[in-house]
Amino acid sequence: GAGVSQTPSNKVTEKGKYVELRCDPISGHTALYWYRQSLGQGPEFLIYFQGTGAADDSGLPNDRFFAVRPEGSVSTLKIQRTERGDSAVYLCASSLGQGVGGELFFGEGSRLTVL
Amino acid sequence: ELKVEQNPLFLSMQEGKNYTIYCNYSTTSDRLYWYRQDPGKSLESLFVLLSNGAVKQEGRLMASLDTKARLSTLHITAAVHDLSATYFCAVDRGDDKIIFGKGTRLHILP
Repeated sequence: GAGVSQTPSNKVTEKGKYVELRCDPISGHTALYWYRQSLGQGPEFLIYFQGTGAADDSGLPNDRFFAVRPEGSVSTLKIQRTERGDSAVYLCASSLGQGVGGELFFGEGSRLTVL
Repeated sequence: ELKVEQNPLFLSMQEGKNYTIYCNYSTTSDRLYWYRQDPGKSLESLFVLLSNGAVKQEGRLMASLDTKARLSTLHITAAVHDLSATYFCAVDRGDDKIIFGKGTRLHILP
């Protein structure tokens, strides 16, 4: 596709449920990032992939959060036992990598609401 | 730990005026990015600054980077209402981890 695609665009779930958020990056982009943005705040770094491996997952808030990118393209962010505090917009971004400037291209985000 | 601070966090200004948004960061970096976000939308890349002294301009916006001072500025010339948005700076820590500031919410009054 032409841009970064994220699904679902909106997800409403109940506390304690499991959620998966999907990101399809721009074709050819080797780097993929997940951020979380709460209302009125800047994007908060969660995890960064270079290819298939998680190069830096230091931003994941706790062990309920996990992300994979098994074939170096599509990535899934998984949240177990959701809590109300997990409600936010989850943004995915991809880039060609630092060797060519590192500019991030963002998807439209997945808005997660935990009731 | 890299900290990125923007100021002001909120700015209301009149059309036709000039103003500057500042972005300070706490550790050495020579890669800095500016993004724009409209309400309810995602982030749009504005500028990529990759070296000390880099200056980029697009329309009424100009961004610069001083890596020695760990400071970037986003200057707005003769503001117009269409520039109302939230502007974020983001800094590469040096290992591809990109950290964002809290954003500057810019409101331009007609």
